[in-house]
Amino acid sequence: RKEVEQDPGPFNVPEGATVAFNCTYSNSASQSFFWYRQDCRKEPKLLMSVYSSGNEDGRFTAQLNRASQYISLLIRDSKLSDSATYLCVVIIMRGSQGNLIFGKGTKLSVKP
Amino acid sequence: DTEVTQTPKHLVMGMTNKKSLKCEQHMGHRAMYWYKQKAKKPPELMFVYSYEKLSINESVPSRFSPECPNSSLLNLHLHALQPEDSALYLCASSQDSTGGGGYTFGSGTRLTVV
Repeated sequence: RKEVEQDPGPFNVPEGATVAFNCTYSNSASQSFFWYRQDCRKEPKLLMSVYSSGNEDGRFTAQLNRASQYISLLIRDSKLSDSATYLCVVIIMRGSQGNLIFGKGTKLSVKP
Repeated sequence: DTEVTQTPKHLVMGMTNKKSLKCEQHMGHRAMYWYKQKAKKPPELMFVYSYEKLSINESVPSRFSPECPNSSLLNLHLHALQPEDSALYLCASSQDSTGGGGYTFGSGTRLTVV
């Protein structure tokens, strides 16, 4: 079983749609959780950290369910500029060193 | 300064060349990383430096040689690479070795080996 699994998509949605991405992780000792966004031929950029209490940043809401080892990202009122690959990322500790583990990414394409 | 700066942005090198990739951050981060990313794949960890010491080497071939001259700089020395080493090489940093505050990535060096 892969350490971090995501639906690769692509998700093709119209502007204004609400879209949800899911991610599961296999290592129950995972410490920290993030969603990164990566545009084509660019570096990954931190979108938001993910907490059990849930967190919201504008149109983006992230949620962590530790019991189910499940992470989600909800994007409301999609914009054309939201088109990108969304990477689910987990930190697993190896001794005192955190190791960033990436999912394969979910591609989102928002159409006019 | 909240950036990780990588140079060069693009590099084409022959299989017998020696070149170096450079990475710099001035955020006071004490952990720095090299990742390799092939097209349509997620980044793969190569090396981790924590407090200027190599803490993780993910079984990377010796033709890749990392160096951390000080807490702000990270280099990746390249020698006798193969065409399959062509990829985007990403440098990242985090506040400390736990990475809990998230990682900041540089814009990468796009390497082509001919």
